[in-house]
Amino acid sequence: GAGVSQTPSNKVTEKGKYVELRCDPISGHTALYWYRQSLGQGPEFLIYFQGTGAADDSGLPNDRFFAVRPEGSVSTLKIQRTERGDSAVYLCASSLDREETQYFGPGTRLLVL
Amino acid sequence: SQKIEQNSEALNIQEGKTATLTCNYTNYSPAYLQWYRQDPGRGPVFLLLIRENEKEKRKERLKVTFDTTLKQSLFHITASQPADSATYLCAQSNDYKLSFGAGTTVTVRA
Repeated sequence: GAGVSQTPSNKVTEKGKYVELRCDPISGHTALYWYRQSLGQGPEFLIYFQGTGAADDSGLPNDRFFAVRPEGSVSTLKIQRTERGDSAVYLCASSLDREETQYFGPGTRLLVL
Repeated sequence: SQKIEQNSEALNIQEGKTATLTCNYTNYSPAYLQWYRQDPGRGPVFLLLIRENEKEKRKERLKVTFDTTLKQSLFHITASQPADSATYLCAQSNDYKLSFGAGTTVTVRA
């Protein structure tokens, strides 16, 4: 079956702009996660959804970052007033339920100029 | 706070040899340690999970150990092949949140 998909695969934007990153999890997976990976580092946790609700958003770096999952499937990560330091690969993962194996998407490479 | 440390130097080995990667954690023993493989431009792919009360886990040519006394997990790739060349990430979790190390890049020479 289809894995986790993310769009766009690459995004180049200018400092100060708004961006949206989309994640389509594996069908039937109730848990969805966003991570951010900088060059040479491992992924860092941003937010976890169980169903439609954000159960843990403790990893979001500041209030410019927001994520939604209105119907419990697709999720969108939104970044306002982008800064150069936001440049990274944004990874989405999903799992059947919490504590189950997480399956990662290919990521969106965000470059803020 | 808990830190996950992996040997930062890249590992270059000859085909057929065993690659051994180290993952150390600093504080409390996590409920699980997980190992992922990541190829350039791709997301991490789950390989193995080992629980706190397990000493060893195997999957085909892969073996993982968990030593709570040393606060360490070792990841072995036996009979390595060039196709095993990738970055290997260690992650600890107690629930749903994964905390990753920086990864170790392995290159297997033919």
